[in-house]
Amino acid sequence: EAQVTQNPRYLITVTGKKLTVTCSQNMNHEYMSWYRQDPGLGLRQIYYSMNVEVTDKGDVPEGYKVSRKEKRNFPLILESPSPNQTSLYFCASSSDASPYNEQFFGPGTRLTVL
Amino acid sequence: RKEVEQDPGPFNVPEGATVAFNCTYSNSASQSFFWYRQDCRKEPKLLMSVYSSGNEDGRFTAQLNRASQYISLLIRDSKLSDSATYLCVVNKGNFNKFYFGSGTKLNVKP
Repeated sequence: EAQVTQNPRYLITVTGKKLTVTCSQNMNHEYMSWYRQDPGLGLRQIYYSMNVEVTDKGDVPEGYKVSRKEKRNFPLILESPSPNQTSLYFCASSSDASPYNEQFFGPGTRLTVL
Repeated sequence: RKEVEQDPGPFNVPEGATVAFNCTYSNSASQSFFWYRQDCRKEPKLLMSVYSSGNEDGRFTAQLNRASQYISLLIRDSKLSDSATYLCVVNKGNFNKFYFGSGTKLNVKP
């Protein structure tokens, strides 16, 4: 089954404790992206990647890191999480960097930073 | 100013009603436009892309007005299963940055 998977689905952590949210897709997609969703603000793009070893900042990259060492994986790293990073996070992928393509989203990761 | 603005609703309509949502975008150079549907606490899923000529998919019709910079979604003969949040999405065409509206919530009641 074609899908985007994220782990963990739920995470409660404390300020300053490094964490990684994994994202993997099995559709051989070139383009991958991370979003956070907050009430009243919609989804905001954190980082995106147009292919292996090619990443760039979205609109809200502060406090986050990403890497794209393999085509299928695009982990999101929070080196020192803070309470304002409490949010619902979605990973997405699409076949290539065309702006006309559908994005396929993972199921989401609900993160709480205390 | 937000890149994409939507009326948050909720729109409460009876089954069988016709309902329309609008969405405005700020950048006249925007290239691609979409409506996504998001069920409560779930991931967004593509409902339809929006083309300059307008497009229809069953009970759903999307329109794009570039001059006024707005996108619309019309749902005819609403079903209970149409209850969801509808997200307007715009791409400015620069290296695949997507901008999402905060969504319009639709409740279809029996």
